[in-house]
Amino acid sequence: NAGVTQTPKFQVLKTGQSMTLQCAQDMNHNSMYWYRQDPGMGLRLIYYSASEGTTDKGEVPNGYNVSRLNKREFSLRLESAAPSQTSVYFCASSGGTSGGPNTGELFFGEGSRLTVL
Amino acid sequence: GQQLNQSPQSMFIQEGEDVSMNCTSSSIFNTWLWYKQDPGEGPVLLIALYKAGELTSNGRLTAQFGITRKDSFLNISASIPSDVGIYFCAAQNYGGSQGNLIFGKGTKLSVKP
Repeated sequence: NAGVTQTPKFQVLKTGQSMTLQCAQDMNHNSMYWYRQDPGMGLRLIYYSASEGTTDKGEVPNGYNVSRLNKREFSLRLESAAPSQTSVYFCASSGGTSGGPNTGELFFGEGSRLTVL
Repeated sequence: GQQLNQSPQSMFIQEGEDVSMNCTSSSIFNTWLWYKQDPGEGPVLLIALYKAGELTSNGRLTAQFGITRKDSFLNISASIPSDVGIYFCAAQNYGGSQGNLIFGKGTKLSVKP
């Protein structure tokens, strides 16, 4: 099973360039998330989508936008990349098909390593 | 905001040793979880705890949900080389917003040189 698939796995950008990270899950989960991971900082939530058609800001949303394209796909866009956005980005999904209570059990993709020069 | 204080930040293990790590907070939670991240991979859930005082095992791993609901610990018995990686604690209030799961900063396990 593919689970959560992220593309691209690696990307190098110049300051001011834009790009979109793509994420798709095949588990029919209701909720999807974007995290960033920086050394010594753990995982910090950028944006999440509790269900198709909704998105909400997390802890560190500045400089990012998201789109929940459909139930499977959740994309993260950097409109004007900055060196401070150099990080590893993880997409995750959760929630049973019935939309039951949030259990905290997340399924993560393999990550997208972004470098902004 | 709410924070999880995870310790130690890093540790070295020798094969066969037992390992302990813990996570504390000044806030009360009713769900504690432990994730492991292998190098170059995303985190994977190891154990989820939903009841204060609960002690749960998963193979050589044992985790407990503190009775005060402000802490949790993870023990690994008889460590093996594939135990290396980063271990994250996470906590939230069950049934709450999907955006309220918070993570500790991780404990990095490495093999003793």
